[in-house]
Amino acid sequence: GDSVTQMEGPVTLSEEAFLTINCTYTATGYPSLFWYVQYPGEGLQLLLKATKADDKGSNKGFEATYRKETTSFHLEKGSVQVSDSAVYFCALLKAAGNKLTFGGGTRVLVKP
Amino acid sequence: GAGVSQSPRYKVAKRGQDVALRCDPISGHVSLFWYQQALGQGPEFLTYFQNEAQLDKSGLPSDRFFAERPEGSVSTLKIQRTQQEDSAVYLCASRSTGRDTEAFFGQGTRLTVV
Repeated sequence: GDSVTQMEGPVTLSEEAFLTINCTYTATGYPSLFWYVQYPGEGLQLLLKATKADDKGSNKGFEATYRKETTSFHLEKGSVQVSDSAVYFCALLKAAGNKLTFGGGTRVLVKP
Repeated sequence: GAGVSQSPRYKVAKRGQDVALRCDPISGHVSLFWYQQALGQGPEFLTYFQNEAQLDKSGLPSDRFFAERPEGSVSTLKIQRTQQEDSAVYLCASRSTGRDTEAFFGQGTRLTVV
């Protein structure tokens, strides 16, 4: 079945450091790919998405590129802030489906 | 309302007790989803409604779990005879028409079965 694998955390960084969170997926066809973020005490929020191969999703300084050849959707940010401390979830939506399949989440802690 | 609202935010149930969790989706949103999120894990799909029709309930872990959305708006997830392994955060999400539109999540209900 469909699955999403992302790197385990926690990831601890200093402010202004470069952040990468790896995400790979297994699915038939051409799913849409998403990154969701969960800030402390809040619900899941969509961060960015890409719906086809080679698309780049971007938002709030974060970027991820849909790589069909490596079945990956790695999340990157060039200079993190303390306010980026959160749990990040990679997810996929199958081409003919409605439900999201999530990875296990990666906790990121940015220290000043 | 402004977003997806879930109640209660926290629920402690004794093992064997029945519980009902409520979800108020964003007004006008056709699609509604329930997910279960165990501690330290990602959300797992439970069930999906389009208006009042439950189109997919493949993720419900047992027949103790039941969901309804009788008027195509508010939804209730009911768990009968709760067990310790039911302890989790239950998330509700809603989405307007179009599968590529954003799904908006509520803050969830944290259920603890003791």
